[in-house]
Amino acid sequence: SQQGEEDPQALSIQEGENATMNCSYKTSINNLQWYRQNSGRGLVHLILIRSNEREKHSGRLRVTLDTSKKSSSLLITASRAADTASYFCATVLFSGGYNKLIFGAGTRLAVHP
Amino acid sequence: EPEVTQTPSHQVTQMGQEVILRCVPISNHLYFYWYRQILGQKVEFLVSFYNNEISEKSEIFDDQFSVERPDGSNFTLKIRSTKLEDSAMYFCASSQIELRDTEAFFGQGTRLTVV
Repeated sequence: SQQGEEDPQALSIQEGENATMNCSYKTSINNLQWYRQNSGRGLVHLILIRSNEREKHSGRLRVTLDTSKKSSSLLITASRAADTASYFCATVLFSGGYNKLIFGAGTRLAVHP
Repeated sequence: EPEVTQTPSHQVTQMGQEVILRCVPISNHLYFYWYRQILGQKVEFLVSFYNNEISEKSEIFDDQFSVERPDGSNFTLKIRSTKLEDSAMYFCASSQIELRDTEAFFGQGTRLTVV
């Protein structure tokens, strides 16, 4: 079974629109992190949200966490063509595995000018 | 801004050959990691390393894999006898403290192609 699953797998929007990506997980977590990956490049950390937090903001990014539903969402507001990338959620487990990130399959976001 | 650097960016090797992937983590970081991403698939954890020893490893990280921090700045991943299915993007990452309290910083990756 997979710890992290994102949906949708792919999302195509116009510049200026909002993009929402969802992530679900199975096992209790310590924190959940969102990363961005431009095509063929490394992963860049966006936001870390702890299990006792419900919402965090960073610029145009808003992340929510619902531990009762074991799910998180990443909202990018007023999207730009430069936001085109793959977005991954990654969890750090509550017990055991403090030093590994378990990644979901990712959402490929395409923002069209 | 400090960054994790990986070399080479692309390596082609013949099946059965040994390869060493190199990484220079951020200088004041204490925790180091290797991940891999097969083309079009998710990022998979391989191993974490702290205080000169492996702290955790995945099922993928079998006897063919080893890690080393030979000189206090480099962090290497060795694959002893490469297989076709080892072809992937390999990412090194580091963090200052444990991931339960912080994020990881990733390098740009080494694309390994086994032919």
